[in-house]
Amino acid sequence: AQTVTQSQPEMSVQEAETVTLSCTYDTSESNYYLFWYKQPPSRQMILVIRQEAYKQQNATENRFSVNFQKAAKSFSLKISDSQLGDTAMYFCAFMIYDMRFGAGTRLTVKP
Amino acid sequence: DSGVTQTPKHLITATGQRVTLRCSPRSGDLSVYWYQQSLDQGLQFLIQYYNGEERAKGNILERFSAQQFPDLHSELNLSSLELGDSALYFCASSTGTGGLGYEQYFGPGTRLTVT
Repeated sequence: AQTVTQSQPEMSVQEAETVTLSCTYDTSESNYYLFWYKQPPSRQMILVIRQEAYKQQNATENRFSVNFQKAAKSFSLKISDSQLGDTAMYFCAFMIYDMRFGAGTRLTVKP
Repeated sequence: DSGVTQTPKHLITATGQRVTLRCSPRSGDLSVYWYQQSLDQGLQFLIQYYNGEERAKGNILERFSAQQFPDLHSELNLSSLELGDSALYFCASSTGTGGLGYEQYFGPGTRLTVT
C-alpha cells in the first residue's frame, strides 16, 4: 500500500527566511507523481508544485522548490523568502491511480 | 480560483437524512475526484470518474455514491447520514487520469454538518 508520511505536524519560520518541509512515501512502483498542496485558512486546496518520478531534475516554482530523492523515497519542499501569505497547512501527496495525502504540516510565518 | 465549482458551500442536516453535493469541473477536464477531509481522518480519496465512467474507488462507504453526467458535472450522494460524516467534501478535476494533465485542481469544498 502506498503511504505518505509528514513527520512535522507544525513548523514556524520568520518572514523572509527559508524553511523546509519533509515528506516521505512508501511504494514499490517506479512511475508515480508527487505533489505539494497548500491549504490556507480559507480551506481552499492550492497546488504548489508537482514532480514526476521519472524526472531527475527537481521541480521549481518561483520561491518553492523540491528536493526529490527517489531512492530514499523522500520529497521535501523548500520555501525561500517566506511570506506571511505562506501561512497554511501543507500537504504532501502521492499519486499513481488515486491520490494519497500525508497528514499535513501546519506552517506559520512570523513577522 | 481553480475553475472548479462546488455547491452548496455549506450544508446542515440531521442524522439519517440524504444529501447531494454537486461539482462542475474545469472546462475541458474529463476527470472528477471526490475527497473527504475530516479532523481525525485527514484527506481521504473517495472516488474518481473519467468521462462518465467510474475509474477508481477509495475509502467510500456503501452509503455514499457518485456519478458523472454527460455534461461532465458530478454529484456525490450521501445517505443515512451519521454524525461522523460531518466533514469538508472536496471535488477536484484534471484533464486526464495520468501522464499529461494529471495534476488535480480542487474546488472550494462543501462543508457538511450532520446534527
